[in-house]
Amino acid sequence: GAVVSQHPSWVICKSGTSVKIECRSLDFQATTMFWYRQFPKQSLMLMATSNEGSKATYEQGVEKDKFLINHASLTLSTLTVTSAHPEDSSFYICSAPPSGKTETQYFGPGTRLLVL
Amino acid sequence: DAKTTQPNSMESNEEEPVHLPCNHSTISGTDYIHWYRQLPSQGPEYVIHGLTSNVNNRMASLAIAEDRKSSTLILHRATLRDAAVYYCILRSLSSGSARQLTFGSGTQLTVLP
Repeated sequence: GAVVSQHPSWVICKSGTSVKIECRSLDFQATTMFWYRQFPKQSLMLMATSNEGSKATYEQGVEKDKFLINHASLTLSTLTVTSAHPEDSSFYICSAPPSGKTETQYFGPGTRLLVL
Repeated sequence: DAKTTQPNSMESNEEEPVHLPCNHSTISGTDYIHWYRQLPSQGPEYVIHGLTSNVNNRMASLAIAEDRKSSTLILHRATLRDAAVYYCILRSLSSGSARQLTFGSGTQLTVLP
């Protein structure tokens, strides 16, 4: 099946620093990618929709200036957590539906962020 | 998207079948029933989906009630590697465009050796 990768798989950073997470579709193109956040023992919550060639759309309550999203190409979306704080510590997961195919989405393995 | 209701947790013995139920009484005619599962510390993975007819693939079977207000994911022979949170999700494709998935709380499946 299709593969979505994320890098890094885990990251520890100091409070106030910025962290960039990459999401790549390895064997298909995706004009749209989704970014989710998952806190321990909770379900996935959609943060934003990343659109290739245009601005991302954010869910209510998600600060667009804090969580910068760039969909640079049909196979790459990046999420930058700016000025990270301990409450941003979470499991960040991206997903991508292959372009032109809407039934199935493929998820990345996730990035665990710990902000000290 | 219409809401789904699943039990919080279920247990199964290894090598026995598992039936994971999902209620979706407000499902609309254009809603597909999707199942994803999330293994510990991993991203979700697609399991199966269907509209009206029962579906089978190498991972599982999906049995859909005649009125479509409920469905059951069937793992024919549970293994320890099937221990995961299973999510039942409705997605309408009436818009024809890719849409995000809305995750509920899912069912935590524990497989006992």
